[in-house]
Amino acid sequence: DAMVIQNPRYQVTQFGKPVTLSCSQTLNHNVMYWYQQKSSQAPKLLFHYYDKDFNNEADTPDNFQSRRPNTSFCFLDIRSPGLGDAAMYLCATSRDKPPRETQYFGPGTRLLVL
Amino acid sequence: QKEVEQDPGPLSVPEGAIVSLNCTYSNSAFQYFMWYRQYSRKGPELLMYTYSSGNKEDGRFTAQVDKSSKYISLFIRDSQPSDSATYLCAMSGRGGSYIPTFGRGTSLIVHP
Repeated sequence: DAMVIQNPRYQVTQFGKPVTLSCSQTLNHNVMYWYQQKSSQAPKLLFHYYDKDFNNEADTPDNFQSRRPNTSFCFLDIRSPGLGDAAMYLCATSRDKPPRETQYFGPGTRLLVL
Repeated sequence: QKEVEQDPGPLSVPEGAIVSLNCTYSNSAFQYFMWYRQYSRKGPELLMYTYSSGNKEDGRFTAQVDKSSKYISLFIRDSQPSDSATYLCAMSGRGGSYIPTFGRGTSLIVHP
């Protein structure tokens, strides 16, 4: 019954070593989002896709990239992770643009940078 | 000033207590208000969704919105240890602000 699936759940990488996080959805939703959430902080939106239309938040570092090869999958690439990038990364989907359409979140990938 | 302010807690209450969780906001364009529950090391799950001002009830949960004061609340009646989680408010509006803005969450601990 999993609707938004994130892999892996835990990822350990080394400082500067590229890492890719993946998200898939079985809801056939048009919109997919990537959030970064640090301990006791609000989720911070990094990007979102409305179908194939990519939207980058103004303050998302260039170190973060995203790909959405099809409706079901979305990837977050961190080209050169720094210690400050250690966080929970949440993928979310919505059928259409908010605010009428609510977001469904995956379980998250916790990234540790050594 | 952040757009959405939420006290991080922790808020510790005995089982059976009525819990009140709150958020304040500054953007008058917000019209849609949500409460999410997030268990430790899990993603947020939507609890309540309200539009504009007023109350909405769902079981033990009641969401309240006061747009004139820019203040929203979530009440939990007969709280249970399984309610122990972080509760995040989120809100959005029309046009450019349609992506929800989240609060930092309030950690709730319900002890037996």
